[in-house]
Amino acid sequence: DQQVKQNSPSLSVQEGRISILNCDYTNSMFDYFLWYKKYPAEGPTFLISISSIKDKNEDGRFTVFLNKSAKHLSLHIVPSQPGDSAVYFCAVPKEYGNKLVFGAGTILRVKS
Amino acid sequence: SAVISQKPSRDICQRGTSLTIQCQVDSQVTMMFWYRQQPGQSLTLIATANQGSEATYESGFVIDKFPISRPNLTFSTLTVSNMSPEDSSIYLCSVVSTYTQYFGPGTRLTVL
Repeated sequence: DQQVKQNSPSLSVQEGRISILNCDYTNSMFDYFLWYKKYPAEGPTFLISISSIKDKNEDGRFTVFLNKSAKHLSLHIVPSQPGDSAVYFCAVPKEYGNKLVFGAGTILRVKS
Repeated sequence: SAVISQKPSRDICQRGTSLTIQCQVDSQVTMMFWYRQQPGQSLTLIATANQGSEATYESGFVIDKFPISRPNLTFSTLTVSNMSPEDSSIYLCSVVSTYTQYFGPGTRLTVL
């Protein structure tokens, strides 16, 4: 039973344009949602999170939107840079603050 | 933030042997976890490493196959026992610090 789904395995975007990464979830009880970025040969790096009581959280070029009625969240990167090329995972806590359940990941390629 | 190191960074092992992976954190942390990322897959939680008591394993993972030690609040080991090619994965140590989960760089294991 996949609790978190990232249906797009890859995304290619031109430098300077917007990258939109999507994630769907099944459980309405999740308290917050996280995005991680992973480069090859490195561990995932925390990027941004959003509480279930909010619908938007912004941090520099990164904005996460939460649509609770649709059980959908998205990560927007504006403007996209070649250094953003990585695998992006959405994740939810299985237990508060602790065990994480990850989506399958989306490979983002930003072309210069 | 927490700085996490893992040893070894990678290894190639023969079927039937065992490998112990070490995880060192630069500060004392209560929550420490071990994850696995199989080729082309997302991250999956193996177990919670508990200091002073036995690890707590997720469904599908057992102590005989993945024994874990947690002698103190900055260190843990994961052993992959009696390895088979299906154990070829990236193994990641993770900790919770200031309400954020951080990951080590991972250990890339290839079993022949």
